[in-house]
Amino acid sequence: QLQLEESGPGLVKPSETLSLTCSVSGDSINTKNYYWGWIRQPPGGGLEWIGNVYYSGSTYYKPSLKSRVTMSIDTSKNQFSLKVRSVTAADTAVYFCARDQRGYSDSADATVFDYWGRGTLVTVAS
Amino acid sequence: QSVLTQPPSMSGTPGQRVTISCSGSSFNIGNNYVYWYQQLPGTAPKLLMYRNNQRPSGVPDRFSGSKSGTSASLAISGLRSEDEADYFCAAWDDSVSGQYVFGSGTKVTVL
Repeated sequence: QLQLEESGPGLVKPSETLSLTCSVSGDSINTKNYYWGWIRQPPGGGLEWIGNVYYSGSTYYKPSLKSRVTMSIDTSKNQFSLKVRSVTAADTAVYFCARDQRGYSDSADATVFDYWGRGTLVTVAS
Repeated sequence: QSVLTQPPSMSGTPGQRVTISCSGSSFNIGNNYVYWYQQLPGTAPKLLMYRNNQRPSGVPDRFSGSKSGTSASLAISGLRSEDEADYFCAAWDDSVSGQYVFGSGTKVTVL
């Protein structure tokens, strides 16, 4: 059974960089069959897609976050990561990592998240 | 403000049928697949419906999805107490540079 688990600091100061890692177990992320994504949810709010990363390192991001976000993947550790720079209180949220069933040859509208981590709360405050 | 619009809340008694709407545009629902996620309190979202009307393995057939034009809907028939959750629609949006968008979410309460 595939499992994902987010890890990283729960508190980040304004203007600093938020860094999270998603550890995947139960299968290798070194596969052409899936992308791997990050989604966040502010307290009491809705879901917001942040971006996806492919095993090759190829990425695509939500346009409004693109200037502050970097995703990477480490297939040797079966992990992928998220960095959000220059954070503000608006970046306070539960951050989820998830597997995207979309394969590289699929169209973008095949994006669908079928396995999710439990999520980790990141609070931006001084 | 979400690109996909859902009613904030809906309710029903056990056994009733509840239908959640999701309204979008030609940039998203009108030309792309619609997905639905269920989020029970304090848990991660769970995929409930993919490619408009396909149920993943394990999802009861009480749940059904449909799409017409730029709108989609999720129906829950034979409502049960364990269906009390938040429901989010989602789709790829081709405007700007392309992005995956979620609906605003609908809280379903079982009375």
